[in-house]
Amino acid sequence: DAKTTQPNSMESNEEEPVHLPCNHSTISGTDYIHWYRQLPSQGPEYVIHGLTSNVNNRMASLAIAEDRKSSTLILHRATLRDAAVYYCTSRSGTSYGKLTFGQGTILTVHP
Amino acid sequence: DTGVSQNPRHKITKRGQNVTFRCDPISEHNRLYWYRQTLGQGPEFLTYFQNEAQLEKSRLLSDRFSAERPKGSFSTLEIQRTEQGDSAMYLCASSIGTSGRSTQETQYFGPGTRLLVL
Repeated sequence: DAKTTQPNSMESNEEEPVHLPCNHSTISGTDYIHWYRQLPSQGPEYVIHGLTSNVNNRMASLAIAEDRKSSTLILHRATLRDAAVYYCTSRSGTSYGKLTFGQGTILTVHP
Repeated sequence: DTGVSQNPRHKITKRGQNVTFRCDPISEHNRLYWYRQTLGQGPEFLTYFQNEAQLEKSRLLSDRFSAERPKGSFSTLEIQRTEQGDSAMYLCASSIGTSGRSTQETQYFGPGTRLLVL
């Protein structure tokens, strides 16, 4: 299973952009990169996923390095509701799509 | 779409007792996953069902753990003879899978069942 590495914590001010990095140097060529976030006492919430190209949705953007060894989740304008633990995960193509989570990044947003 | 639901949300039990958790996936989702999450850690995969068939189990799933998904709808996770080390959040997720080993489809998580073993 591919291992992901993220910073333990990051801080941002409200309405500023946030760039959350993730290293996944052992990911295989066909495994998608998925990002989830988790609020206290809740289950993880899907944010975005991608394979090779940069991706955008209403929540965030995902920038994937050309060599696919790293990616960056971009929150364009952080709000207080974005404060959460963000997980960069991979899905194993040799398994039945189980997600492999790291420890995640605790994002603190200051008003 | 009511989302994935899990019951109970909280469970306190004494060491040695058996507990059972239930997960109701999003309707029409054929794939169902169980994960376990301890404090400060990311979720860890426990087991996977495709319809009613249990196709994968983690080494974390000791003999005291058993999971079922009769008729391919809801699923139950039972822990026998609970130990204090079983204290964790147990998460269920579901998705629609069209091919055996797809890595693209999104998994939707329930709110989890928090277990405390005294």
